[in-house]
Amino acid sequence: AQKITQTQPGMFVQEKEAVTLDCTYDTSDQSYGLFWYKQPSSGEMIFLIYQGSYDEQNATEGRYSLNFQKARKSANLVISASQLGDSAMYFCAMRTGGYNKLIFGAGTRLAVHP
Amino acid sequence: EAGVVQSPRYKIIEKKQPVAFWCNPISGHNTLYWYRQNLGQGPELLIRYENEEAVDDSQLPKDRFSAERLKGVDSTLKIQPAELGDSAVYLCASSSRYTGTSSPEQYFGPGTRLTVT
Repeated sequence: AQKITQTQPGMFVQEKEAVTLDCTYDTSDQSYGLFWYKQPSSGEMIFLIYQGSYDEQNATEGRYSLNFQKARKSANLVISASQLGDSAMYFCAMRTGGYNKLIFGAGTRLAVHP
Repeated sequence: EAGVVQSPRYKIIEKKQPVAFWCNPISGHNTLYWYRQNLGQGPELLIRYENEEAVDDSQLPKDRFSAERLKGVDSTLKIQPAELGDSAVYLCASSSRYTGTSSPEQYFGPGTRLTVT
């Protein structure tokens, strides 16, 4: 079964520190993609970063990096130098099945403290 | 470039009433998605359109939900009649066509928060 698991309902981090948000996935497909989205209180889902299953290098986008460990089926998001504006819900999602259909995890609420 | 537009942003209705949500995707995006996000959960796909064709509606409760995407641009999602359990945020997203060799990200609108009383 295709599934995304985010085991951290909430995380706290001090401003300017790094934080890792966990994501594990389950799929029998060889080709899949992993996404991270940010959802602030305004409700809009904002795309952050993408990792393809065949990508050998971990994806990076500015302060975001994706720690992809294929054998462990994990795709953790690392946010470096946290900012107050990073406080939001973060969702890990997976595309499988040959379609651009996303399966989302339950999310992690990140709170950045000054 | 304008993002995905949704209206209304908020809707409160009594159970058994009908309700409709509207979405205008990013210009040029062939693929349009409707998701439902229950409180404390991630979004779940209801229906996906490629142009005007619904290619994946397996998660759409067809007894009360309907959707259309006339002319392959904007889309309407309707619930009739609404039930208490339909209270959720309804998100619309769009993307360019998925070719199998790339993974176009989906761009989401701000959502419509529906409250059924």
